[in-house]
Amino acid sequence: EAQVTQNPRYLITVTGKKLTVTCSQNMNHEYMSWYRQDPGLGLRQIYYSMNVEVTDKGDVPEGYKVSRKEKRNFPLILESPSPNQTSLYFCASSSYSGANVLTFGAGSRLTVL
Amino acid sequence: AQSVAQPEDQVNVAEGNPLTVKCTYSVSGNPYLFWYVQYPNRGLQFLLKYITGDNLVKGSYGFEAEFNKSQTSFHLKKPSALVSDSALYFCAVRDKGDTDKLIFGTGTRLQVFP
Repeated sequence: EAQVTQNPRYLITVTGKKLTVTCSQNMNHEYMSWYRQDPGLGLRQIYYSMNVEVTDKGDVPEGYKVSRKEKRNFPLILESPSPNQTSLYFCASSSYSGANVLTFGAGSRLTVL
Repeated sequence: AQSVAQPEDQVNVAEGNPLTVKCTYSVSGNPYLFWYVQYPNRGLQFLLKYITGDNLVKGSYGFEAEFNKSQTSFHLKKPSALVSDSALYFCAVRDKGDTDKLIFGTGTRLQVFP
């Protein structure tokens, strides 16, 4: 089944403790992206990647890092999480970008205490 | 800069009645426009998109959307609502001249009452 898989789905952590949210897709998609969803703010793009070793900042990149060493994986790294990063995170992928449709993961709900 | 506005936080409609979820956009060039739906505890799912051509776009689950260039709108519609349509709906826009960025609206919660 074609899908985007995120882990963990739920995580409670404390301020400053580094964490990584993994994202993997099995569709050989070039384009991958991370979004955060907050009430009243919709989805905001954190980082995106057009292909292996090519990443770029979205609208809210502060406090996050990403890497794209393999085509299928696009992990989101929070080096020193803070409470304002408490959110629902989505990974998505597509063939290139443009008019292509994004396939989303099921989401990762992160709480930073 | 690209932007998307969904002016209604929530839309309530009775089952069997027509529904409309509004979306307006702003891009410097020509747009790609999308509608996605999010059911509880799920990721977003694609409903339909406008690329070019016919202004009326038909999508999944009986939904359709009308592209209106003069009003810069892309409202989502369905002739007869179902209770199972209750979900969070997101409009999104991508500028054809800047295809890296896909901008989402803030979402509209659709509640269909029996």
